[in-house]
Amino acid sequence: DADVTQTPRNRITKTGKRIMLECSQTKGHDRMYWYRQDPGLGLRLIYYSFDVKDINKGEISDGYSVSRQAQAKFSLSLESAIPNQTALYFCATSDPSPDTTEAFFGQGTRLTVV
Amino acid sequence: GEDVEQSLFLSVREGDSSVINCTYTDSSSTYLYWYKQEPGAGLQLLTYIFSNMDMKQDQRLTVLLNKKDKHLSLRIADTQTGDSAIYFCADNYGQNFVFGPGTRLSVLP
Repeated sequence: DADVTQTPRNRITKTGKRIMLECSQTKGHDRMYWYRQDPGLGLRLIYYSFDVKDINKGEISDGYSVSRQAQAKFSLSLESAIPNQTALYFCATSDPSPDTTEAFFGQGTRLTVV
Repeated sequence: GEDVEQSLFLSVREGDSSVINCTYTDSSSTYLYWYKQEPGAGLQLLTYIFSNMDMKQDQRLTVLLNKKDKHLSLRIADTQTGDSAIYFCADNYGQNFVFGPGTRLSVLP
C-alpha cells in the first residue's frame, strides 16, 4: 500500500460545484501539504498543516479550504469550482525534524472543471 | 519569497550525460533537492545535498552546488530511456518546500 494515498485519482466536475479531495498517510508524519501542479509553473503550495490544530495558507489559497481531521488525514475542498482550478493536485507529508530532509507525495488527483 | 528557476526542456541521446540546472534565491536553504516525476505518478526524491557540501555523488547521479552563485545542477551519466521524466529542483524555504517549474528530460534512442 502507498504511504500517501489520494482519492479520487481523477475527477471531472462542473463549474460552481463543491468538491473535496482527500489525502491519507501511513507515515506517521505531523506535516501535510497540498500543492497544485500546472505545466511550466511547477508545484505551488495551497495549504499546509504542521499538526492537527495548525493550518496555514500557502501562496495560492484563494478559492480553497482544508480540513485536518486527524494526524493521518488532510482534505482539500473547492467550495465553488472554476475552470482555472483545473490542475493536478498533490498531497505530501514530511517529518518535522529541525531540517526536513524529504517530502513524500501521493500519486496525485487530476481535476478537470468544465 | 523564495524563487527557484529551471529550464523547462532538455533532450539528450541515450548513453550521453544529461545536465539539469537550477538557480534559487534563498541563501539560507539548508537542503536542496532533486525530485523525479514519471508520467502519471507523484514526485519521488531522487537525491538531495546539504548546503555545506559542494558535491554529492550517488551512482550515476552527481549533484553540484555553487552557493556563491546559488546554482544547483544534476548530472545523470549514461542517460537511459528510463530516465525520461520531469525533474524538479526544490529547497526548504522556511519550514516549507519551494519547487522549480520542472525540467522535462527527453531521452532519444
